[in-house]
Amino acid sequence: DVKVTQSSRYLVKRTGEKVFLECVQDMDHENMFWYRQDPGLGLRLIYFSYDVKMKEKGDIPEGYSVSREKKERFSLILESASTNQTSMYLCASSLPGTGIQETQYFGPGTRLLVL
Amino acid sequence: DQQVKQNSPSLSVQEGRISILNCDYTNSMFDYFLWYKKYPAEGPTFLISISSIKDKNEDGRFTVFLNKSAKHLSLHIVPSQPGDSAVYFCAASARGGSQGNLIFGKGTKLSVKP
Repeated sequence: DVKVTQSSRYLVKRTGEKVFLECVQDMDHENMFWYRQDPGLGLRLIYFSYDVKMKEKGDIPEGYSVSREKKERFSLILESASTNQTSMYLCASSLPGTGIQETQYFGPGTRLLVL
Repeated sequence: DQQVKQNSPSLSVQEGRISILNCDYTNSMFDYFLWYKKYPAEGPTFLISISSIKDKNEDGRFTVFLNKSAKHLSLHIVPSQPGDSAVYFCAASARGGSQGNLIFGKGTKLSVKP
């Protein structure tokens, strides 16, 4: 059974704080992704990684950084949280390859509120 | 510019009837398409997919149809159940695209009324 876990379901932070969101998958997937979901905007890709220590910018990387020191763990970092980063953050993982291997499996999400 | 479009933000259907969710795309390089279902405060879950070499894929109450010439796909749910009420996202991937990346639509919120 595929499993992607995220460290927190709900977080409340203050403007300017450094925020760490952790994601762990137990499926030995090479690819990992961070998205944010906002009403009316769907899922927007922040960063992704296709191997340990590798990272690529997605569509909206500004204000975020990531870390992938181990294959199973992908961290999203908000260096200085701002109110416009209040959102639902979703982590996903997948195998490399094409077709069915591209299916991404998502964690439960972290709802972040920045005050 | 949106490469994957779900033009209906919401859809309301009576229990037992058919739900049809639509998705249009612009990139002719897309060769694999997926539907995800998302409940509030949960992550999306994979529902069904289709390769561009097919025009139909069925899994129980869920069927996805692909019309490549129209760059259109649809998800049919028959019969609809109240538990199907969720946001449905269409996603696509491209040959030669960034490894493993999916392009998502903005979602359609389905409400199935008892």
